[in-house]
Amino acid sequence: EPEVTQTPSHQVTQMGQEVILRCVPISNHLYFYWYRQILGQKVEFLVSFYNNEISEKSEIFDDQFSVERPDGSNFTLKIRSTKLEDSAMYFCASKAGENSPLHFGNGTRLTVT
Amino acid sequence: AQSVTQLGSHVSVSEGALVLLRCNYSSSVPPYLFWYVQYPNQGLQLLLKYTSAATLVKGINGFEAEFKKSETSFHLTKPSAHMSDAAEYFCAVSDRSQGNLIFGKGTKLSVKP
Repeated sequence: EPEVTQTPSHQVTQMGQEVILRCVPISNHLYFYWYRQILGQKVEFLVSFYNNEISEKSEIFDDQFSVERPDGSNFTLKIRSTKLEDSAMYFCASKAGENSPLHFGNGTRLTVT
Repeated sequence: AQSVTQLGSHVSVSEGALVLLRCNYSSSVPPYLFWYVQYPNQGLQLLLKYTSAATLVKGINGFEAEFKKSETSFHLTKPSAHMSDAAEYFCAVSDRSQGNLIFGKGTKLSVKP
């Protein structure tokens, strides 16, 4: 069964550094998402992406965050200058159609020191 | 606005016992409702979803959930717990016209031998 693939599984970075989290959504999917889960807290929506543009973003997704689909297969989340509070598990998700179920990747655990 | 409340951050049952994980939602429009499971160090996997068809929804691994509009609930049940059911379970709600999910805080299920 096709899967959403996220790399790396764990990334450690220093405060103030830029980090790029990578995702390969399922190949025929058209809608792409990033969610995050701070340890011990709920999974939170960050951003959705469709037709090569952001369709919706949450309050968390400020100017420090950006997303890109640089080619036909990758979907990246960039944090420009990381803060300690950005430490979390970041999940990428994709779906085929508007009413289709979301498929999640295994997540990237980001640790900011 | 939509929201989800999961009662009980931790539920412990004996193997073979009934599993009941509670979820109440708030939505100003007819909701889509979902249950996801997260095994340790893995992503979110869809267990089942309600999309306004049958109110009793059957999912994978013997789980089912019943949509009760009068109680604004979507509780997850399984007649007989198995050790492999130990995981964290998330209830989520979505607006029909949008894809982003609003998650509850999650309930960690422990299964005792």
